[in-house]
Amino acid sequence: NAGVTQTPKFRILKIGQSMTLQCTQDMNHNYMYWYRQDPGMGLKLIYYSVGAGITDKGEVPNGYNVSRSTTEDFPLRLELAAPSQTSVYFCASSYGHTNEKLFFGSGTQLSVL
Amino acid sequence: RKEVEQDPGPFNVPEGATVAFNCTYSNSASQSFFWYRQDCRKEPKLLMSVYSSGNEDGRFTAQLNRASQYISLLIRDSKLSDSATYLCVVNVMVANNNAGNMLTFGGGTRLMVKP
Repeated sequence: NAGVTQTPKFRILKIGQSMTLQCTQDMNHNYMYWYRQDPGMGLKLIYYSVGAGITDKGEVPNGYNVSRSTTEDFPLRLELAAPSQTSVYFCASSYGHTNEKLFFGSGTQLSVL
Repeated sequence: RKEVEQDPGPFNVPEGATVAFNCTYSNSASQSFFWYRQDCRKEPKLLMSVYSSGNEDGRFTAQLNRASQYISLLIRDSKLSDSATYLCVVNVMVANNNAGNMLTFGGGTRLMVKP
């Protein structure tokens, strides 16, 4: 199993550009999450999904969108990149809400200049 | 007040030392508690869950104090490889919330073990 795979690992965007961060998992997990981590800070939940076709906002959803068309994939879309979105983004998955062990992808370092 | 608060450190300790971190949480309804480890520029990985009666995994001991709303992590006989950031994570089950698994992360405590 590859686990949770995120791409790209690094990206530099100009203000106003858009991009999609890809996330896929091969563990047949129902729950998937997107977090951002700013320097010296904890992870903050952006969006989550409890299964294909179902998504919901987390703590910091503004400026982002997600979709969950399949169990495996959970892409994160930035429509109009802003400097405040410079961060490290982690995708994660878990089997269900009673299994709190999260499996994380290796992260995407995003800079918006 | 932050929901989950940790001393950012760094804690600089020599090899073989015993070191302890505390983490306080603000929501008394919190139900599950965890310690994750994060190496520099890497993803977090679950180190251990924290049970009400306290639990041990090798050199690591985790304890929960519900009355004072804090959890702790004790590392005995520190190794160079223990150098990392330790994230305190708290789960609050939110009613009518599909996620259920709403984890709140602390900012982490950085540990540096020196030879």
